[in-house]
Amino acid sequence: DQQVKQNSPSLSVQEGRISILNCDYTNSMFDYFLWYKKYPAEGPTFLISISSIKDKNEDGRFTVFLNKSAKHLSLHIVPSQPGDSAVYFCAASGNTGNQFYFGTGTSLTVIP
Amino acid sequence: DAEITQSPRHKITETGRQVTLACHQTWNHNNMFWYRQDLGHGLRLIHYSYGVHDTNKGEVSDGYSVSRSNTEDLPLTLESAASSQTSVYFCASSPGQGAFGYTFGSGTRLTVV
Repeated sequence: DQQVKQNSPSLSVQEGRISILNCDYTNSMFDYFLWYKKYPAEGPTFLISISSIKDKNEDGRFTVFLNKSAKHLSLHIVPSQPGDSAVYFCAASGNTGNQFYFGTGTSLTVIP
Repeated sequence: DAEITQSPRHKITETGRQVTLACHQTWNHNNMFWYRQDLGHGLRLIHYSYGVHDTNKGEVSDGYSVSRSNTEDLPLTLESAASSQTSVYFCASSPGQGAFGYTFGSGTRLTVV
């Protein structure tokens, strides 16, 4: 059973606008959450993380929001750039951080 | 610079053959993982290891095996390749307790014909 879900397989956004990628999880024991970005023919690369003691973490154009009561996190990219076009995976782990469960990914296309 | 490398990058094999995919990391990470990526399924865990001589099954381990004889390597073996194992395989490593997130290899695209 999928513990981490990304219900939007794809998203298209105009350059300069905000991209919002969503992720839901079912396990209330998850404590750490990551977002990975993946270009074709490459491995996923780490983008941003958040722990359950926070509700927001920001890194440049990227902000991750965590709503523990709703078991929901989102990634905001502002402003979106064509180079952001990639597949984005969210991942969640318990408090050891030893094993992460991944969502199915959302393919983001930023239109110039 | 430390890195994690997978080989080969591409492999075509026949049904029933044994295939081994290599993963080598120079990060000195304790934890290593094998995932497969398929459309509509995202990244699914095949096997993982928390240290030398430690191996564990993931959610899609049937038909796969791993062994960990040193810190650097976690080879993935398909005992008898099946068409359902056509996929892109990613190896990842992480430091372990108290440090989070994976470093991924570039992937191996395996086609079973």
